[in-house]
Amino acid sequence: SAVISQKPSRDICQRGTSLTIQCQVDSQVTMMFWYRQQPGQSLTLIATANQGSEATYESGFVIDKFPISRPNLTFSTLTVSNMSPEDSSIYLCSGGQGGFDEQFFGPGTRLTVL
Amino acid sequence: AQSVTQPDIHITVSEGASLELRCNYSYGATPYLFWYVQSPGQGLQLLLKYFSGDTLVQGIKGFEAEFKRSQSSFNLRKPSVHWSDAAEYFCAVGASGTYKYIFGTGTRLKVLA
Repeated sequence: SAVISQKPSRDICQRGTSLTIQCQVDSQVTMMFWYRQQPGQSLTLIATANQGSEATYESGFVIDKFPISRPNLTFSTLTVSNMSPEDSSIYLCSGGQGGFDEQFFGPGTRLTVL
Repeated sequence: AQSVTQPDIHITVSEGASLELRCNYSYGATPYLFWYVQSPGQGLQLLLKYFSGDTLVQGIKGFEAEFKRSQSSFNLRKPSVHWSDAAEYFCAVGASGTYKYIFGTGTRLKVLA
């Protein structure tokens, strides 16, 4: 199994600023993903974080708004850029070995944009 | 397009009562199916998964789920609910070839003492 931690656990930010969320896994994982969970809604995949290359974004999400880095097999960051109140959500990262082995999820980062 | 539907947004049961949470999926091939639980302030925890084989799957915490291909369903059950089961439950389908999950909208379970 893998244990995933995220920093920060929560933040309140001003409109127009950016926030970088860190995701740390306690073991090497092949796949890492970033999800958004808007209030009262389900998880929506933002992107697949690829080690050493550009992330793969889902429809509706773009790199300029959500730049992602993954420098190694245990760490990734998601930046929410030029934030607006509509970006207020919980952001979760997950990791796993690929195939349909279990994905492990971090506890999430609760973001509020004023 | 692949999709997952959880028809019940909220369910309330009494402690000790049985529970069934519904999940229907739309998928063109044999699906990979999952149930996750999210407790307040916690990350998602895998309860059980179905890839192939026996259509009745046992999971952690006394949960089980049954895959019914003819009904495109993967309902989660527990014979006797405990107060600690109060949480939000998500059904998910794995997208073949991409290893991405598509989540349902979740069912929030409330347990009455």
